[in-house]
Amino acid sequence: SQKIEQNSEALNIQEGKTATLTCNYTNYSPAYLQWYRQDPGRGPVFLLLIRENEKEKRKERLKVTFDTTLKQSLFHITASQPADSATYLCALDRWGGKLIFGQGTELSVKP
Amino acid sequence: GAVVSQHPSRVICKSGTSVKIECRSLDFQATTMFWYRQFPKQSLMLMATSNEGSKATYEQGVEKDKFLINHASLTLSTLTVTSAHPEDSSFYICSASSREGGGNEQFFGPGTRLTVL
Repeated sequence: SQKIEQNSEALNIQEGKTATLTCNYTNYSPAYLQWYRQDPGRGPVFLLLIRENEKEKRKERLKVTFDTTLKQSLFHITASQPADSATYLCALDRWGGKLIFGQGTELSVKP
Repeated sequence: GAVVSQHPSRVICKSGTSVKIECRSLDFQATTMFWYRQFPKQSLMLMATSNEGSKATYEQGVEKDKFLINHASLTLSTLTVTSAHPEDSSFYICSASSREGGGNEQFFGPGTRLTVL
C-alpha cells in the first residue's frame, strides 16, 4: 500500500534561517503532491501543489521540489519567521481527487 | 475566496447519541466533498468521499451505517455520527474541491472537535 513519511521529529530553527522539510513516499507514483499548513485545532490550509512533470515550484518564501526518481519532495521556507511555526503536511493524490496525508512535521521558529 | 465552513466547531455529547456536523462551501460550488478524521498527533485519515446527489463512498474500515453522509446540494454536506461512543471522539474535518478552479487543491474547513462522554 502507499506509504508517506515525513520527519517525525519536530524541527526547531532560528528566525531568518531556511527551514527544510522532507516528504518521502513508497509504492506509488502520484500525479501531483501538495503541501499544507495546519495550526493546532484548525483545518489544513493549502500552500503549494507540484505536478509530476515539475521539478520545482515557488510561492513567495516557499519552494517545493519534487523528485520522482527518489520519490521525495522537499519543502523550503526561506527567511523563516516565528509566524511560520505550525505543522506542515504533505499529501499525495489518489484517484478521484482523494489525498493521502503524511503525519506532518512540526516546525518551530524561534525569534 | 474558496472558504469552507463547519458547524459546530466543537460538540460534547453523551454516549449513544447522534451528532450531525455540517460542511458548507461558502463562495464556490463543490461537486465533491471529503470527510477526514484526525486523532491527536496523527495525520488526517480519509473517511469518505461525498458527491452531490449520489451516495458517498467510504474508505476501507469505515462503517457507513455509523457515519452517515449526505451531500444534498453543491454547497452542503453533512456527516452524522450515529450512536456515538467515546472511541469516536476525534477531530472531524471536511474539505471541498472547487468546481470552477483549475488544479486539484482541496479547501478545508476549520474542523469539528467531537467529545463523547
